[in-house]
Amino acid sequence: DAKTTQPNSMESNEEEPVHLPCNHSTISGTDYIHWYRQLPSQGPEYVIHGLTSNVNNRMASLAIAEDRKSSTLILHRATLRDAAVYYCIRHTIDSGNTPLVFGKGTRLSVIA
Amino acid sequence: KAGVTQTPRYLIKTRGQQVTLSCSPISGHRSVSWYQQTPGQGLQFLFEYFSETQRNKGNFPGRFSGRQFSNSRSEMNVSTLELGDSALYLCASSPIWLSTDTQYFGPGTRLTVL
Repeated sequence: DAKTTQPNSMESNEEEPVHLPCNHSTISGTDYIHWYRQLPSQGPEYVIHGLTSNVNNRMASLAIAEDRKSSTLILHRATLRDAAVYYCIRHTIDSGNTPLVFGKGTRLSVIA
Repeated sequence: KAGVTQTPRYLIKTRGQQVTLSCSPISGHRSVSWYQQTPGQGLQFLFEYFSETQRNKGNFPGRFSGRQFSNSRSEMNVSTLELGDSALYLCASSPIWLSTDTQYFGPGTRLTVL
């Protein structure tokens, strides 16, 4: 059970911003939100993660709703290289050391 | 730093055979996880090793096994191959804890069972 809901696919024009939504309405206080992406013929690649406040790195920004029931991955200027499947993952921080549970993800297409 | 490497990259086997896949984590990483990716089921967690001990196991039959060596390199073995075992097998490493650390994935080994 991935425990997150994402659209199956999205499309974006090159050099436009992209907002990838993720719903995690049953999230608990100890769950981090992780985003990974998988480019064609490659293994998944870490993008960003956060707990409560918004996060930025060189790849993307993560906006987490105040109630933490949803979040949005923001790619500020999509390039053709950003075409990939994007996975939003809830990951519990607990002493049990649980693995990542990947859902189906969102397939992002970027149009030149 | 070199990334996670997996060998071989491609493999063709027949039903009933066994196969061993290898994963070398990023230098200094002590946790190695294995995933199976198929079009129907997506990415599914197989198991995780840390300091030569299996810490976590997914819901796969006993035909799937693994081990980790003292240098953190890991192998996974699938015995009595079935057609449904055809998949991309991904290995990921992280510094210490699976829960909090970023995972770094290798390119995968594509296994085809005929």
